[in-house]
Amino acid sequence: AQSVTQLGSHVSVSEGALVLLRCNYSSSVPPYLFWYVQYPNQGLQLLLKYTTGATLVKGINGFEAEFKKSETSFHLTKPSAHMSDAAEYFCAVSRGDSSYKLIFGSGTRLLVRP
Amino acid sequence: NAGVTQTPKFRILKIGQSMTLQCAQDMNHNYMYWYRQDPGMGLKLIYYSVGAGITDKGEVPNGYNVSRSTTEDFPLRLELAAPSQTSVYFCASSYSKQEGANTGELFFGEGSRLTVL
Repeated sequence: AQSVTQLGSHVSVSEGALVLLRCNYSSSVPPYLFWYVQYPNQGLQLLLKYTTGATLVKGINGFEAEFKKSETSFHLTKPSAHMSDAAEYFCAVSRGDSSYKLIFGSGTRLLVRP
Repeated sequence: NAGVTQTPKFRILKIGQSMTLQCAQDMNHNYMYWYRQDPGMGLKLIYYSVGAGITDKGEVPNGYNVSRSTTEDFPLRLELAAPSQTSVYFCASSYSKQEGANTGELFFGEGSRLTVL
């Protein structure tokens, strides 16, 4: 079975500060890992994904994440927060086979202080 | 390019009523999904479909039914609505695993907010 744990339901940072959103996963097979972002009253949209290959993946809006198999982690980072980054972020895992059923974490709401 | 379209955006139901949430995609995706989102709980998979005529249960299928008669449409039926079904429902679609295709990315609709009183 697969699962995802996001540490911290709310994270608050100052504008210009480092953003770090934590995600740990559990999977019995090599996982595909995703970060999605949800802005208020909208659906989710993909920020970045890891499938195979390079473990440091870059996404949109300056975000990146690193797959660390030994730590079963896929933390999301951005060097400098912008007010427009305020949103809810979801980590997700899938088996990596043809089913593509994603298991989502409970989400982390990012607040950016001016 | 519309992507994934959900209707209605908002609906209030009385306990015991039935309704159908509509979902249509114009990207020729063969995979489609229904998720529900509850505060602090993330998204839970209700049903999914790998192609026309094929559907399967997800994590929380009780109280719901789906059908997939065409590639484009994937309606979600609520029979005998209950307060526990108050939620935001998201439909999504994706490609199957094909060489060169953008695998694993779900495209979401804007959601349907349902309240059962």
